[in-house]
Amino acid sequence: DAGITQSPRHKVTETGTPVTLRCHQTENHRYMYWYRQDPGHGLRLIHYSYGVKDTDKGEVSDGYSVSRSKTEDFLLTLESATSSQTSVYFCAISETGGRTEAFFGQGTRLTVV
Amino acid sequence: GESVGLHLPTLSVQEGDNSIINCAYSNSASDYFIWYKQESGKGPQFIIDIRSNMDKRQGQRVTVLLNKTVKHLSLQIAATQPGDSAVYFCAETSNRDDKIIFGKGTRLHILP
Repeated sequence: DAGITQSPRHKVTETGTPVTLRCHQTENHRYMYWYRQDPGHGLRLIHYSYGVKDTDKGEVSDGYSVSRSKTEDFLLTLESATSSQTSVYFCAISETGGRTEAFFGQGTRLTVV
Repeated sequence: GESVGLHLPTLSVQEGDNSIINCAYSNSASDYFIWYKQESGKGPQFIIDIRSNMDKRQGQRVTVLLNKTVKHLSLQIAATQPGDSAVYFCAETSNRDDKIIFGKGTRLHILP
């Protein structure tokens, strides 16, 4: 399995609090992605990174920010969590920006109460 | 906007029969497509891919067909087994950016 670790795996937080999810890879892949998965919506792209300090928005970026200060780590931050951000979050890595297979982490289940 | 979608949200297939999962895409700039399988509680896993300069690609028990004229993609699974039970997603990338865009998924249910 590709070396991708998401942390935490589960989190419950209160509305209005900041939350940071971490994605760590040991594959030295250039591209990293954050998705959220909700019933009826499949996987929706939040943000992605194409290099250290290089990020861009995806389909559902409102309410989320990201940072990538080093190749191996991609952080997703919810500045002020809302109940609509309750979801399962997946991180993915790609060597080629989606031109070949992407590898996914195990997911983080976030509940905002 | 650009989207990748699926015709059937749930597909029930008898064990041993062939399964066909369909996907429609709308971005004419998409030139690379992947099918992923997601088992319960896990992240998606790669099954097979196809580039836009191909019509068909075969793997072990799986075949992907691409029809660029009607922007349609399908995944065929031969001799479906209980272990094939999962949600299947098609995904696309284009030559314009590095985004990987997923469809909503089809749940494959295997009947004994």
